[in-house]
Amino acid sequence: EVQVLESGGGLVQPGNSLKLSCATSGFTFSTAWMYWYRQFPEKRLEWIARIKAKSYNYATDYTESVKGRFTISRDDSKSSSYLQMTNLKEEDTAIYFCAPNNDPWGHGVMVTVSS
Amino acid sequence: DFVMTQGALPNPVPSGESASITCQSSKSLLHSNGKTYLNWYLQRPGQSPQLLIYWMSTRASGVSDRFSGSGSGTDFTLKISSVEAEDVGIYYCQQFLDYPFTFGSGTKLEIK
Repeated sequence: EVQVLESGGGLVQPGNSLKLSCATSGFTFSTAWMYWYRQFPEKRLEWIARIKAKSYNYATDYTESVKGRFTISRDDSKSSSYLQMTNLKEEDTAIYFCAPNNDPWGHGVMVTVSS
Repeated sequence: DFVMTQGALPNPVPSGESASITCQSSKSLLHSNGKTYLNWYLQRPGQSPQLLIYWMSTRASGVSDRFSGSGSGTDFTLKISSVEAEDVGIYYCQQFLDYPFTFGSGTKLEIK
């Protein structure tokens, strides 16, 4: 059974940083493309970033609003993906999800950016 | 960016009836490889989104055959035949042809 578990969320002040982790098991992580998404309080979903597999040189892509602030990465030896978030803004407040190949999604982790 | 527009359902839908959810893309999602880059998700209350359909019409693993996806390059439909209580939630379409991968605003399904 595929398992996906995000961690690292919390309350941070604007301008601060946070690193989210996504631990997985039950499938061949090394060939999966990892996605990060977020859901805002009003239920709107947004794709944040994607990192491809080693055979694609771990290529990354980001949505415009997080470029230069967020960094997606992966550690195939730990079957894990990460989302390093810097210079956080109040509008980054959301539930953050990771999803290997878009299926399944983890349960999500809450990030609140507030002073 | 691709704008995804979803239609509403005439809620509540009687149990056992069929329901069709529409999604329209501002640009064609048909790739030159012949595949249409559209996903459908269901988010049940209190849960994370679950992938139902990918490539416009291919059911994800473990998804009931009561769910079917169809469409053209810009207009898409998710049909749920014989709706059940477990189908309650918000349905989202998503394009993954071009960055950023955008979602529709969601369509809520309620059961009577």
